[in-house]
Amino acid sequence: GAGVSQTPSNKVTEKGKYVELRCDPISGHTALYWYRQSLGQGPEFLIYFQGTGAADDSGLPNDRFFAVRPEGSVSTLKIQRTERGDSAMYLCASSLLGGGQETQYFGPGTRLLVL
Amino acid sequence: DAKTTQPNSMESNEEEPVHLPCNHSTISGTDYIHWYRQLPSQGPEYVIHGLTSNVNNRMASLAIAEDRKSSTLILHRATLRDAAVYYCILRIQGAQKLVFGQGTRLTINP
Repeated sequence: GAGVSQTPSNKVTEKGKYVELRCDPISGHTALYWYRQSLGQGPEFLIYFQGTGAADDSGLPNDRFFAVRPEGSVSTLKIQRTERGDSAMYLCASSLLGGGQETQYFGPGTRLLVL
Repeated sequence: DAKTTQPNSMESNEEEPVHLPCNHSTISGTDYIHWYRQLPSQGPEYVIHGLTSNVNNRMASLAIAEDRKSSTLILHRATLRDAAVYYCILRIQGAQKLVFGQGTRLTINP
């Protein structure tokens, strides 16, 4: 079946602009996660959705970052007033229920470059 | 979150076994040991996980020390496609997020 998909695969923007990154989880997965990965580092957790609600947003670095999942499926990560330091790979993952030791299935990521 | 320590890099030859170590001396009784790997230009993928007993699946084996302060991921017969960064992650029961370290970059020589 289809895995997690993310669009766009690459995004180049200018400092100060607004960007939206989209994640389509595996169908039927209620849990959705966003991570950010800088070059040479492991992914860092940003936010976790259970259904439509953000159950844990403790990883969002500041109030320029916001994510939504209005219908409990597709999610959009929104970054306002982008800064050069926001340049990274943004990864989305989903899991069936979000509990226990469930496997998280990752998408291929969106590489964001802020000039 | 309990911390894991892995070598930055390892190298092995094709068709040979690979043993990837992970130290987690501050592990607690409810922490599960998970391994994910990230192939070049891809998102991480699940490899295996365990709590106390050794585990086997089609991808790998996980050997857990008796005191649980270390574990080893074993690839029985490495292929070029196993070249990736391997992450050892401790996950408490019910934890949602994965906490990645820097992982071990595995190079496989033909």
